Amino acid sequence: QLQLQESGSGLLKPSQTLSLTCAVSGGSISGGGYSWSWIRQPPGRGLEWIGYIFHSGTTYYNPSLKTRVTLSVDRSKNQLSLRLSSVTAADTAVYYCVAGFCSLTSCPLQHWGQGTPVTVSS
Amino acid sequence: QSVLTQPPSVSGAPGQRVIISCTGSSSNIGAGYDVHWYQHVPGRAPRFLISDNNNRPSGVPDRFSGSKSGTSASLAITGLQTEDEGDYYCQSFDKSLFGWVFGGGTKLTVL
Repeated sequence: QLQLQESGSGLLKPSQTLSLTCAVSGGSISGGGYSWSWIRQPPGRGLEWIGYIFHSGTTYYNPSLKTRVTLSVDRSKNQLSLRLSSVTAADTAVYYCVAGFCSLTSCPLQHWGQGTPVTVSS
Repeated sequence: QSVLTQPPSVSGAPGQRVIISCTGSSSNIGAGYDVHWYQHVPGRAPRFLISDNNNRPSGVPDRFSGSKSGTSASLAITGLQTEDEGDYYCQSFDKSLFGWVFGGGTKLTVL
């Protein structure tokens, strides 16, 4: 069973860069055909898609975050990374790493990490 | 304001049936894109419930079922149990935004 575990900077000041990693176990990040996504949930609000990396390596980002976000895969460490620059209080959320078998227009999010909280405050 | 609209809350007694709606537009559900459903109990990882409108992954009880028609989709839960309490989200693709969108979530309370 695929397992995902997020970790990273939990408290940031405005304008800093958020950096999270997601360790993948129970399967190879390179095999299996999974695509890898990041989803977030601000306090008291619903889920928001941040972006994803196709199994081919192509990345797609939420247009509202595209200028600030970078997703990458480190195959040697079997982990994913998320970087979000110039954070504001609006980026305060629980961030989830998720895996699924995706096409360009359909991505059932099958395996979720536990999530890691990030707070942006001066 | 979420692209997909869900009722904020639904409730039902143990053993009853509830339906959670997810209303979109011609840019997403109405364009034929698949709808997926998730259950989220606060403090725990979200759980994948329904794939591609009406397919249950292994391990999901057959009390959960999905459907889609026109610009809307629905999640039905029969034989309500207390452990079904939580927040439920629908998800689809939006061609105008060119990305995935979620509903705002529906809180299910089992009375």
